[in-house]
Amino acid sequence: SQQGEEDPQALSIQEGENATMNCSYKTSINNLQWYRQNSGRGLVHLILIRSNEREKHSGRLRVTLDTSKKSSSLLITASRAADTASYFCATTGGGNKLTFGTGTQLKVEL
Amino acid sequence: GAGVSQSPSNKVTEKGKDVELRCDPISGHTALYWYRQSLGQGLEFLIYFQGNSAPDKSGLPSDRFSAERTGGSVSTLTIQRTQQEDSAVYLCASSFGGRTNTGELFFGEGSRLTVL
Repeated sequence: SQQGEEDPQALSIQEGENATMNCSYKTSINNLQWYRQNSGRGLVHLILIRSNEREKHSGRLRVTLDTSKKSSSLLITASRAADTASYFCATTGGGNKLTFGTGTQLKVEL
Repeated sequence: GAGVSQSPSNKVTEKGKDVELRCDPISGHTALYWYRQSLGQGLEFLIYFQGNSAPDKSGLPSDRFSAERTGGSVSTLTIQRTQQEDSAVYLCASSFGGRTNTGELFFGEGSRLTVL
């Protein structure tokens, strides 16, 4: 079964708006990562947040982590059409195995 | 090469045939992963290699699936007697591995398998 569950499953916004995706997980983690997948392509790493961190920024990306609620959110500010993709959270609880969620499909319309 | 390379990019086969999928990881990456992604779904973990050994093969769906890695580099995922439910994109990823590993994975473009 999947460790992470993203919410919403699909999101459609206008260019320039912010997009927020949420991820919930079930067991304790060492870190949580977000990946992007363009249609028909492999996944690309976006950002990693460690279990002792609460917030992290990278360019237009902002990630938060609440370990008490076992949840994380990914905010993409000032979205662009090129941000259209599927976004996955992934967790590792120990060792090197990364377990992925079900993904959020983001569509940014012009 | 600069990135993770997978071949073939597309494979169409008949039910019952065996297939081999190849992954060439980033040079120097000791950890290698295989995942499976069915249409519109998330990633299903199959197997993880550290060097040439596979400390976690818990995700292999059945004994028709096997994988090996030689020389700490190239890996081959073999599916015997393919079934239609094996149709999916098989993704390979690599990472630095070891105690200093951050967990970031570098993915290939995947091998799309269609079983008729």
